[in-house]
Amino acid sequence: AQKITQTQPGMFVQEKEAVTLDCTYDTSDPSYGLFWYKQPSSGEMIFLIYQGSYDQQNATEGRYSLNFQKARKSANLVISASQLGDSAMYFCAMREVSGGGADGLTFGKGTHLIIQP
Amino acid sequence: DTAVSQTPKYLVTQMGNDKSIKCEQNLGHDTMYWYKQDSKKFLKIMFSYNNKELIINETVPNRFSPKSPDKAHLNLHINSLELGDSAVYFCASSLSTGTSADTQYFGPGTRLTVL
Repeated sequence: AQKITQTQPGMFVQEKEAVTLDCTYDTSDPSYGLFWYKQPSSGEMIFLIYQGSYDQQNATEGRYSLNFQKARKSANLVISASQLGDSAMYFCAMREVSGGGADGLTFGKGTHLIIQP
Repeated sequence: DTAVSQTPKYLVTQMGNDKSIKCEQNLGHDTMYWYKQDSKKFLKIMFSYNNKELIINETVPNRFSPKSPDKAHLNLHINSLELGDSAVYFCASSLSTGTSADTQYFGPGTRLTVL
């Protein structure tokens, strides 16, 4: 079973609109972290935002916010006032703590976001 | 002031060759990782290395071996390259606090093409 599910392979959004990228996850570990990364066409992986499973408030970083609904096991990324430079692949990822400090991230398949002028 | 760097950025080689990809981080992190991104953009952990402890993803062939000369470096050595090894390989690093907040920072990636 997939641990991270991103159901939107691709999205087209008009510039300046808000965007919500969906992510659901599956874990039995009570302690975990959820991350979003951006991969532009140049290929690098850019960390955007983090949410811990015990965090009471939704994480925010500038125009990025994470809509964390723990009971639904969802961690959607919201980009406000989208810009042309937001066009990229976006990956949701999870780290489960139970495996120890050297665990890697489990990634979803990504959403290809295209911002249209 | 590159935080995580990889060399080379591109690597084109013949089947059967042995090659290495180097990774260095200057963030003072104590855990380093290698990921493989396939042609469909799917990213999968290959290895993590922390204080001389190596954790290997069980799906990684033993032709792949990470080597860490010190805490700031984790190189990836690949023997007897196969066509299916063609991918983008990312190095990453993080602090290991034992919590969920250990953010991983990625290098620029190395695009490996096996002919």
